[in-house]
Amino acid sequence: SQELEQSPQSLIVQEGKNLTINCTSSKTLYGLYWYKQKYGEGLIFLMMLQKGGEEKSHEKITAKLDEKKQQSSLHITASQPSHAGIYLCGADMRAAQGGSEKLVFGKGTKLTVNP
Amino acid sequence: KAGVTQTPRYLIKTRGQQVTLSCSPISGHRSVSWYQQTPGQGLQFLFEYFSETQRNKGNFPGRFSGRQFSNSRSEMNVSTLELGDSALYLCASSSGRLSPDTQYFGPGTRLTVL
Repeated sequence: SQELEQSPQSLIVQEGKNLTINCTSSKTLYGLYWYKQKYGEGLIFLMMLQKGGEEKSHEKITAKLDEKKQQSSLHITASQPSHAGIYLCGADMRAAQGGSEKLVFGKGTKLTVNP
Repeated sequence: KAGVTQTPRYLIKTRGQQVTLSCSPISGHRSVSWYQQTPGQGLQFLFEYFSETQRNKGNFPGRFSGRQFSNSRSEMNVSTLELGDSALYLCASSSGRLSPDTQYFGPGTRLTVL
């Protein structure tokens, strides 16, 4: 079963609009990573959250990890065509399974921004 | 600093053949992880190498293997290729410390099995 659920699966917005992508786990997250991927290419690291209630921002992208550390959200303000791509959340399952870090990923959210 | 590099970028093979993919991590990084990405299954963890030793392994058959060299470069091998092995194979490098340890991904190798 998928350990990380992302929603929505796809999103189409008009340029300038705000949007939110969610990532939910049934287990406690010991490290939550957000990546962006252009189709068929590698993943670009955006942010990492570790502490409950933590919030980080980079340019117009803000990511939060809830207090229970089971859900994270990625919020984009005033979206631009350059924001288009696939957003993936990855979680460190090390503590749940023991051993060194092993990332489990959600299936991704495909974002389209129309000019 | 140069990023993670992967070679080749594209590969076409036929069923039954074997293939070797290469990954050069960011300078100073000692951990290399490999992932398989397909439209149906998404991004799935294959294995991780640290200091030339496999430190972690995903749920893939033994046809998938890897190794890491003393300079931290890593190779992944898939033997007896099946059609279902067609995928984007991504490697990621990190420092190798246990917590937290951000992984930086390469551009991937697109493998097509005919």
